[in-house]
Amino acid sequence: DAGVIQSPRHEVTEMGQEVTLRCKPISGHNSLFWYRQTMMRGLELLIYFNNNVPIDDSGMPEDRFSAKMPNASFSTLKIQPSEPRDSAVYFCASSPLSGGPPGELFFGEGSRLTVL
Amino acid sequence: AQKITQTQPGMFVQEKEAVTLDCTYDTSDPSYGLFWYKQPSSGEMIFLIYQGSYDQQNATEGRYSLNFQKARKSANLVISASQLGDSAMYFCAMREINTGNQFYFGTGTSLTVIP
Repeated sequence: DAGVIQSPRHEVTEMGQEVTLRCKPISGHNSLFWYRQTMMRGLELLIYFNNNVPIDDSGMPEDRFSAKMPNASFSTLKIQPSEPRDSAVYFCASSPLSGGPPGELFFGEGSRLTVL
Repeated sequence: AQKITQTQPGMFVQEKEAVTLDCTYDTSDPSYGLFWYKQPSSGEMIFLIYQGSYDQQNATEGRYSLNFQKARKSANLVISASQLGDSAMYFCAMREINTGNQFYFGTGTSLTVIP
């Protein structure tokens, strides 16, 4: 079975450019999470969706960040305009919302973003 | 208040020895799950072990065991017979079942296994 698929794996861009990160969750999983990981701040939850509906976006740093989940098999995280402080590894993770334990999060391999 | 607290930024253990990584949690939801993840230097997040709030026995998975003390709200990870490949970051996490189904992660503990 395919795991959580993220693209691109690496992105280098210049300050001010728009960045779009993509995620395909595991089929059948109806919870999707976006995390950002940096050395300074660790693993931060940005936003999560249940059944394609955003439940908590309080972790989104500012209006430059937006996330969508138009259907159960696709989500995007967009940064516009990007800034050097957005440089981080962005993880997408999915999980089944119901069903038996453990219900763990399955992580993608991450998208490493560098903003120059 | 922090939902998950890991108080050990870094730990060292001699190869073949056991090591305990601490984790405490805070929740008022009676239904929750506790998880440990390993993140090696390659960056992927690997699920290790799970403990449900209603589980009576401590979870075990091979060399990993979870020391679950519900009254103390602690969920420490015990790694027995440490191996060099155990060197990694370890994250404790909690999922609240009845309150939004969100996952909370701790700040992680960096474990180094010394040969």
